[in-house]
Formats: sequence, structure tokens, C-alpha cells
Amino acid sequence: AQTVTQSQPEMSVQEAETVTLSCTYDTSENNYYLFWYKQPPSRQMILVIRQEAYKQQNATENRFSVNFQKAAKSFSLKISDSQLGDTAMYFCALFVTNAGKSTFGDGTTLTVKP
Amino acid sequence: DTAVSQTPKYLVTQMGNDKSIKCEQNLGHDTMYWYKQDSKKFLKIMFSYNNKELIINETVPNRFSPKSPDKAHLNLHINSLELGDSAVYFCASHGTGSYYGYTFGSGTRLTVV
Repeated sequence: AQTVTQSQPEMSVQEAETVTLSCTYDTSENNYYLFWYKQPPSRQMILVIRQEAYKQQNATENRFSVNFQKAAKSFSLKISDSQLGDTAMYFCALFVTNAGKSTFGDGTTLTVKP
Repeated sequence: DTAVSQTPKYLVTQMGNDKSIKCEQNLGHDTMYWYKQDSKKFLKIMFSYNNKELIINETVPNRFSPKSPDKAHLNLHINSLELGDSAVYFCASHGTGSYYGYTFGSGTRLTVV
């Protein structure tokens, strides 16, 4: 079975500052992917960033980057230069290829303050 | 162009009724899903289809029946609706290669009264 844990139910950050959201996961499989999804108040789920487990290099997408620690099964998301539009719920997700599905964490609500 | 289209966006209905939610994707993906997001925002998988074939069926009441007439469509029919079925239902399709990951529909907020 796969599990994903997000230990921070809520976080806040000042506009233009940097914030890191934590995620740990557990799986006995070797072939998997990790994702962060964003859900703003509009309800739409948006893929933010993807990390292939076999890649050592941390993924980056503009202001978003991850710190992937495979041995520790940790996958944190760093948001740099936070913007008001980053206010949303963020979900960490683990996709195990053999299982063919994603397991989601419980989410972290991020508020960016002006 | 909308990649994953879900209808309706909102659905309010009485207990005991039967309702359907429709989902269509124009991305050419083979695999589609239904997820349920409850009032605490927890996301749980319900079903998955790969090229019209049911491949994942989680512990979901028999009142929920998915149907996939072709790989671009995945519908969800719910019989005898109960108060506890109130939630947001998301359809998603799974990309491959550089598009690996879910593309979600906009969700259907179902309210059973």
C-alpha cells in the first residue's frame, strides 16, 4: 500500500517571500512518480510539478522547485517569490506505475499575505 | 479548448434520485479516473478505466456505476443518492511522456438534500 503524509494543514507566507511545503511518502515499489497539485478557490486541480523517482536531479518549474530525498522518502515543494495567486490548497501525490493510480496527501492550505 | 470537460458543474438533487455526471477528454489519453473529494478536501480514487476497460474499482458502493463508451469518455451514474454522497467528483485523464500526470476536469459539486 502507498501512503502520502502532509504534516502541515495550513501555512502562510508574505508576498515575495519563500515558503516550503513538506511531504513524506511510503511505498515498497521502485517505479513511481511524485507530483504536487494546486487547488485554488476556483476548485480546479492543476499540476504544478512532477518528479520521476529514477531521476536524482530535483525538478524545477519557474518559481516552483522540489527537494526530493529518495532515501528519506521526502518530497518538499519550495515556492519562491510567492504571489497572491499562489494562495491555494496544495496536494502531494504519489503515482506508482504498477498500481496505475495516484494516492494523495491530505493537503496543505497556503495563504499568501499582501 | 477544454482538455477535460465535466458536466454538470453543480448538481443539487433529493435523496433517492438517480443522477449522472459526464466526462470527456480531448487529449488522446488512454486512462481516465473518477476521484471523490469530501468536505475535508480528502481525495480518494473511485474508478479507473484504460481504453474502455475497468482496471481499478476501489471500495465504492454498488450504487455507483462508471461507464466508458470509448476512451475519450467516462461517465459516472449514481443510483439512490444518499446524503453522504454529497461531495465534489473529479474526472481526470493520465498523460504519458512529458505530459505524465493527471489533467483534471473542473469537478462536479454534488449536493444531496
